[in-house]
Amino acid sequence: QKEVEQDPGPLSVPEGAIVSLNCTYSNSAFQYFMWYRQYSRKGPELLMYTYSSGNKEDGRFTAQVDKSSKYISLFIRDSQPSDSATYLCAMKAGTASKLTFGTGTRLQVTL
Amino acid sequence: EPEVTQTPSHQVTQMGQEVILRCVPISNHLYFYWYRQILGQKVEFLVSFYNNEISEKSEIFDDQFSVERPDGSNFTLKIRSTKLEDSAMYFCASSEAPTGGYTFGSGTRLTVV
Repeated sequence: QKEVEQDPGPLSVPEGAIVSLNCTYSNSAFQYFMWYRQYSRKGPELLMYTYSSGNKEDGRFTAQVDKSSKYISLFIRDSQPSDSATYLCAMKAGTASKLTFGTGTRLQVTL
Repeated sequence: EPEVTQTPSHQVTQMGQEVILRCVPISNHLYFYWYRQILGQKVEFLVSFYNNEISEKSEIFDDQFSVERPDGSNFTLKIRSTKLEDSAMYFCASSEAPTGGYTFGSGTRLTVV
């Protein structure tokens, strides 16, 4: 089993739709969870950062962590064409500095 | 907004040559990292650096690789004797604390021919 699994997509949605992106993981030591957005040939851009279980909201973005199920989600409300990018989940254990990334989900928001 | 700056944006080198990739982390950040992304694959951890020493490294980061903070602002990754399989995007990142979110640079695309 891979340490972090993420559906690669591509995921195509119409403008204004609610998007749900997900990752599952196997390492119970992971405590810090992040979502990054990556445009083609650019560096990952931090969108959301959460610690342990729970929800966090920032504008149109909501991150959810369910440690009991080893499952994290990113919701994007009122999706825009500018949201078209690859979304990467990343996580780390409390004592480690290494981030473990998912493979990324490619999102296309169409007009 | 503060950003991590990487140079060059693209480097082409011959197999067997040494390359140095340069990064300027965010000025008040204390923790520095290098990651790489081979085309079509996931972002992979190489090394973390704090207080002028390596704090963690992956199995990828073998004797071919080294990191240095030569002055108060730069953070470098040196690859000795490059191989074709070293071709990838190399990302530098920094953070205020190891438990914080990491800010990535735009990357250096390394092509080994």
